[in-house]
Amino acid sequence: GQQVKQSSPSLTVQEGGILILNCDYENDMFDYFAWYKKYPDNSPTLLISVRSNVDKREDGRFTVFLNKSGKHFSLHITASQPEDTAVYLCAAGENQGGSAKLIFGEGTKLTVSS
Amino acid sequence: DMKVTQMPRYLIKRMGENVLLECGQDMSHETMYWYRQDPGLGLQLIYISYDVDSNSEGDIPKGYRVSRKKREHFSLILDSAKTNQTSVYFCASSPGTGGSAETLYFGSGTRLTVL
Repeated sequence: GQQVKQSSPSLTVQEGGILILNCDYENDMFDYFAWYKKYPDNSPTLLISVRSNVDKREDGRFTVFLNKSGKHFSLHITASQPEDTAVYLCAAGENQGGSAKLIFGEGTKLTVSS
Repeated sequence: DMKVTQMPRYLIKRMGENVLLECGQDMSHETMYWYRQDPGLGLQLIYISYDVDSNSEGDIPKGYRVSRKKREHFSLILDSAKTNQTSVYFCASSPGTGGSAETLYFGSGTRLTVL
């Protein structure tokens, strides 16, 4: 079964709006959580990540919230902009001696309309 | 310039042919990965390599094998390609140490079509 699952295949938001992308995972050994951003015909790039010793991390307009007991993490984007239009992939994994065998969700296609 | 390089960018093969996808990185990263991306399925992990000759199966290794003889190179091999292996293949590497140990740096991808 899918170890990391994103509930929404697609989302649309008006420019300037706030949106939340959600991700659920199954393995309670996972201790590293990340969101990657992917433009069409481009490779994924890391947007923001968090380790399990914190439940929130903020970087500008992007905040990741981690709920370990619920096996859930989310990405909040404020003041959304047209350039935020992309596919967002959540990923989770267990850090094993430095590296993490990252498992990705199916992706959420976000469209920010102006 | 930190980079993960994949070759080729596009590839068309016939069913039953052998396929070699190559990946290189210039960051001396220990860990390298091969993923495939299919619509609605996100990125699926095929193999992970922790260093030279230290490879481990991912979630979908069947039909694939890998080779890592130098730290900077990681190859994906399809012996007798099948049509259901048509996909976009991404190679990635991660530092394994430091504050960004787990960060994956991806190549630009190889779009493989098996006819």
